[in-house]
Amino acid sequence: LAKTTQPISMDSYEGQEVNITCSHNNIATNDYITWYQQFPSQGPRFIIQGYKTKVTNEVASLFIPADRKSSTLSLPRVSLSDTAVYYCLVGEPLGSARQLTFGSGTQLTVLP
Amino acid sequence: GAGVSQSPRYKVAKRGQDVALRCDPISGHVSLFWYQQALGQGPEFLTYFQNEAQLDKSGLPSDRFFAERPEGSVSTLKIQRTQQEDSAVYLCASSLAGLAGEETQYFGPGTRLLVL
Repeated sequence: LAKTTQPISMDSYEGQEVNITCSHNNIATNDYITWYQQFPSQGPRFIIQGYKTKVTNEVASLFIPADRKSSTLSLPRVSLSDTAVYYCLVGEPLGSARQLTFGSGTQLTVLP
Repeated sequence: GAGVSQSPRYKVAKRGQDVALRCDPISGHVSLFWYQQALGQGPEFLTYFQNEAQLDKSGLPSDRFFAERPEGSVSTLKIQRTQQEDSAVYLCASSLAGLAGEETQYFGPGTRLLVL
């Protein structure tokens, strides 16, 4: 299973753009990169997923360089409600579905 | 239902007691996963079902842990003779298909187990 490394914590202020970078040096050819968000007392929630280059949805953007050994989650104009733990995962096929390996995540704190 | 539900949300057990945790996945979802999340840590994989078949149970920490999904929908995680180290949040997730690809997993709110 590909191991991921991400900062333990980050602070930001409301209205700023936040970029969280994740390293996954031994990512495999078939792996996708997925980011989840988790609030206290809730299960993780899917944010965005990509394989290469750039992916954007209504919540975030995901930048993946050509070598795919890292990825950056970009949250535009964060608000206080974006305070959460963010997990970067790379997934491998498990039989015919995907097993996810979570690390410890990045605690993002958005300050007023 | 609209999402994955789990019950009970909180469970306090005395050491040595057996507990059963229930997961109701999203209707029609083929794959079901159980995770254990210790305080301050990310979720750790326990076991995976595709319909009623348990295809991987490599993450179960001991033979006191047992999971089933007899009809391919609701799943139960059972812990026998609970120990204090079993205290954690137990998360269930489901995904739509059993085909290789980038399936999104949808998580329930978890069951917080405290073993005294």
